[in-house]
Amino acid sequence: AQKVTQAQTEISVVEKEDVTLDCVYETRDTTYYLFWYKQPPSGELVFLIRRNSFDEQNEISGRYSWNFQKSTSSFNFTITASQVVDSAVYFCALSRGGETSGSRLTFGEGTQLTVNP
Amino acid sequence: KAGVTQTPRYLIKTRGQQVTLSCSPISGHRSVSWYQQTPGQGLQFLFEYFSETQRNKGNFPGRFSGRQFSNSRSEMNVSTLELGDSALYLCASSLAFGGRGYTFGSGTRLTVV
Repeated sequence: AQKVTQAQTEISVVEKEDVTLDCVYETRDTTYYLFWYKQPPSGELVFLIRRNSFDEQNEISGRYSWNFQKSTSSFNFTITASQVVDSAVYFCALSRGGETSGSRLTFGEGTQLTVNP
Repeated sequence: KAGVTQTPRYLIKTRGQQVTLSCSPISGHRSVSWYQQTPGQGLQFLFEYFSETQRNKGNFPGRFSGRQFSNSRSEMNVSTLELGDSALYLCASSLAFGGRGYTFGSGTRLTVV
């Protein structure tokens, strides 16, 4: 069975602070995909990034960066110089790899990020 | 390019009634998945459709069902509504079965009274 754990329920920071959201996953699959989604109050899940299990190269995209460590089964997400507009619930998710596995996502519980001015 | 469209956005139903929710995927996307989001259970997978066939199903009772049409549009139906069915229902589409680019709609917020 697959499982995703986001231990941080809520994080509150002041604008311009850096913030890291933690994600730990469990899977028996050797091929899998990891995702981060953002959910603003409007409800829509906004895709941020996807990583496959073979790609441990960390990535930076603007103010966002991701740290994937297979050895610790972690896929953490960092926002640099946070802004009020970053306030949202952030979800880490996991799906199985392989063409026949379908698109089923297992989500973590989510982390509510509040950025105060 | 239009995104994933879910209708209606809000719905209020009475316990015991049934409800049908609609999802129109991004043009060209052939796989549609449905998720239920509640404060207590979080985001849970309901089912996935591809080429008008249900390919994956989550752990939900038979009251929850769905279908996909030849144009890839999908509907989900919940019969004999219970108070616990109150939730945000999200639909996601992707190009193909097993495709890894999922785009979500804004959801339908269902309230059962």
